[in-house]
Amino acid sequence: DIQMTQSPSSLSASVGDRVTITCRASQSITNYLHWYQQKPGKAPELLIYLASRLRSGVPSRFSGSGSGTDFTLTISSLQPEDFATYYCQQSDSSPGSFGQGTKVEIK
Amino acid sequence: QITLKESGPTLVKPTQTLTLTCTFSGFSLGTSGVGVGWIRQPPGKALEWLALIYWNDDKRYSPSLKSRLTITQDTSKNQVVLTMTNMDPADTATYYCAHRDDRSGYDVGFLDYWGQGTLVTVSS
Repeated sequence: DIQMTQSPSSLSASVGDRVTITCRASQSITNYLHWYQQKPGKAPELLIYLASRLRSGVPSRFSGSGSGTDFTLTISSLQPEDFATYYCQQSDSSPGSFGQGTKVEIK
Repeated sequence: QITLKESGPTLVKPTQTLTLTCTFSGFSLGTSGVGVGWIRQPPGKALEWLALIYWNDDKRYSPSLKSRLTITQDTSKNQVVLTMTNMDPADTATYYCAHRDDRSGYDVGFLDYWGQGTLVTVSS
């Protein structure tokens, strides 16, 4: 099984801050890495797919990068609606596996 | 637009078999590059992949749960059914189904539409 490790597990940030979340795979997954946002009581929503492709309708302040084993999700200027939990997911080894999540909280 | 909705029991007893149905609209499981997956989330914990079925009836299962899971499709009803045997209190979770887009490459896709989820509690 491919293990996905996110860091940090949680962070506190202010509106307007630049936020970076990292995701590391236990083996190379090429660019088969996707990012999801989940708000309390809601289903996850896709933000970024194939490491760096922004889903249509997702604000451009979200961006993704990386390949191989190391990936990042960046929010360039944190907005109030961005406070949520973020998950990475690999699909190199089907059906895939998720990271443990990163909770972004208000400072 | 694409929508999915999970249905099934909210409470099951230990050792029982859970059957969940995902009813979807806005796409066909007969279309190349399309799949439907099941994912669960215990309260306060992370997401966990369970199973996936493709338009060609190819199936994938979580290695750790494979012996307990079966995924099937009824294309005529636009439904995907997941069964999980020998339920345990540790299986208490919100169960989601989701549309999987594999048009960028077979078996490497992503989940772009999700159902609202259904909470299943395992307790005697």
